[in-house]
Amino acid sequence: DSGVTQTPKHLITATGQRVTLRCSPRSGDLSVYWYQQSLDQGLQFLIQYYNGEERAKGNILERFSAQQFPDLHSELNLSSLELGDSALYFCASSVPSGYTFGSGTRLTVV
Amino acid sequence: AQTVTQSQPEMSVQEAETVTLSCTYDTSENNYYLFWYKQPPSRQMILVIRQEAYKQQNATENRFSVNFQKAAKSFSLKISDSQLGDTAMYFCAFMKTTNYGGSQGNLIFGKGTKLSVKP
Repeated sequence: DSGVTQTPKHLITATGQRVTLRCSPRSGDLSVYWYQQSLDQGLQFLIQYYNGEERAKGNILERFSAQQFPDLHSELNLSSLELGDSALYFCASSVPSGYTFGSGTRLTVV
Repeated sequence: AQTVTQSQPEMSVQEAETVTLSCTYDTSENNYYLFWYKQPPSRQMILVIRQEAYKQQNATENRFSVNFQKAAKSFSLKISDSQLGDTAMYFCAFMKTTNYGGSQGNLIFGKGTKLSVKP
């Protein structure tokens, strides 16, 4: 158990819809990173939050947004979903020696 | 910008044999860590091994060891006595660090190598 909790594990939704993915980092960890893993693009960094503030942005679409709340959990919001958004979405906590990942949310857009 | 390249999309090995997965990277940074992550069919990302760039000694974790060639920017993973449970995707990853080893940014991943261990 990595200590990073992601919910839900699976999500099936239709094109054009909006979904919210949730991540709780390890106790005491201030940072949250979101990654997308798709078949064609591999693992890509989306966005980082640190203690409630956006710290870095990667290849995140404008239709996607995220936030980190005072209790340090984070939510990734995906809107106007397209078939190509189907992917595994991971969040991770940063520790001095690297990163630890949650078990991911499998998003399927139909 | 940093890049990570894994040139072997797929590999297979017989149980109990040894296999080496290749990874090269490109960076102008001096302080960084390199990682190998394993992703079994369960899709969980599991840290296999970590190498600090400032260390000359190659990292070892039980059956897993690396060959870190800093000048050549090469970071290969050797799996000894392969087991069926080693069947997974393996990702090489790069992380920039501060002078004191703290994380400084996100992980940059290679495309992965799919390893199959055959009985």
